[in-house]
Amino acid sequence: GQQVMQIPQYQHVQEGEDFTTYCNSSTTLSNIQWYKQRPGGHPVFLIQLVKSGEVKKQKRLTFQFGEAKKNSSLHITATQTTDVGTYFCAREGSGGSNYKLTFGKGTLLTVNP
Amino acid sequence: ETGVTQTPRHLVMGMTNKKSLKCEQHLGHNAMYWYKQSAKKPLELMFVYNFKEQTENNSVPSRFSPECPNSSHLFLHLHTLQPEDSALYLCASSQRGGSYEQYFGPGTRLTVT
Repeated sequence: GQQVMQIPQYQHVQEGEDFTTYCNSSTTLSNIQWYKQRPGGHPVFLIQLVKSGEVKKQKRLTFQFGEAKKNSSLHITATQTTDVGTYFCAREGSGGSNYKLTFGKGTLLTVNP
Repeated sequence: ETGVTQTPRHLVMGMTNKKSLKCEQHLGHNAMYWYKQSAKKPLELMFVYNFKEQTENNSVPSRFSPECPNSSHLFLHLHTLQPEDSALYLCASSQRGGSYEQYFGPGTRLTVT
């Protein structure tokens, strides 16, 4: 119920290729957050999406929230080696668990220079 | 980033030892979290404190004991751990519990021998 599924689990690309990771929920989300964790590092907040159909951009990163607010995606254009890391989506718990976030298992992106 | 600090950064302990992990946040936040991150279960929520009140104990074994003396400090007391408890333990804080962005500390890499 409160889980978010992320696909793919792993993605290896050549530098310059595009990359997309998807986050899916079986229930409607109030909002969705995205985090990035570099190898050996800790998760760092990237963005939060709240509105149905919302699209936000950060340089080469494009974040989308589905119209039904059940899925989200992160797209990176022309990947660079600095994009390497694990990308997590996170949802707010529902009902009495709305004080916490539930993280997906993440997508590990590796980039071949 | 020095908003959330954790000590020690690395810890090796035997199964009969008692040790404590410390987390401190300098962001004026009111919610703090302990996560366990391992290869098998990325970002597994352990405990949540919201305004110093424990609001989540995610079925964590009693050999892990949290303590939150004030909104800025969080401890994780460890005793009689098992080798499978070896993992990265991450502390995070947010303005309050819920869908607020979380700021993570660098983590403590724990090895149980």
